[in-house]
Amino acid sequence: EAQVTQNPRYLITVTGKKLTVTCSQNMNHEYMSWYRQDPGLGLRQIYYSMNVEVTDKGDVPEGYKVSRKEKRNFPLILESPSPNQTSLYFCASSSLQDLNYGYTFGSGTRLTVV
Amino acid sequence: KQEVTQIPAALSVPEGENLVLNCSFTDSAIYNLQWFRQDPGKGLTSLLLIQSSQREQTSGRLNASLDKSSGRSTLYIAASQPGDSATYLCAVLKNTGGFKTIFGAGTRLFVKA
Repeated sequence: EAQVTQNPRYLITVTGKKLTVTCSQNMNHEYMSWYRQDPGLGLRQIYYSMNVEVTDKGDVPEGYKVSRKEKRNFPLILESPSPNQTSLYFCASSSLQDLNYGYTFGSGTRLTVV
Repeated sequence: KQEVTQIPAALSVPEGENLVLNCSFTDSAIYNLQWFRQDPGKGLTSLLLIQSSQREQTSGRLNASLDKSSGRSTLYIAASQPGDSATYLCAVLKNTGGFKTIFGAGTRLFVKA
């Protein structure tokens, strides 16, 4: 089954403790992206990647890092999480050959930073 | 800077009613526009995608239109059902300054039985 898999689904952590949220897709998609969703603000793009070793900032990249060492994986790294990063996070992927095919989204990761 | 606005923020209608959700964007330089559905606590499900060169797309009871020149898109839902209750999000994919995606804040729809 074609899918985007995020882990973990839920995470509670403390301020300053480094964490990684994983994202993996099995569709051989070039384009992958991370979003955060906050009440009343919709989804905001954090980072995106056009291919292996090619990443770029979205609208809210501060406090986050990403890497794209393999085509299928696009982890989101919070080096020193803060409470304002408490949010619902989504990963998505799409074929760069046909961005008009649309996105496939993961099920989301609910992160709480205390 | 591209901004995407959805009106109304919330909508409650009786079952069977036809309804229109609106999405507006400030920069017409878009690659495509996509409508999503999100159920509470769930991920996003793609409903319709309109390429920048297209005017509309249809899927079942859903019809989405795009007017790039005026920066507007509408999602028309015919004969609404309680199962349509969800939040509907529109998103534009920019193709200038990188392939960024900008989402609207969504319209929360409640269809009463």
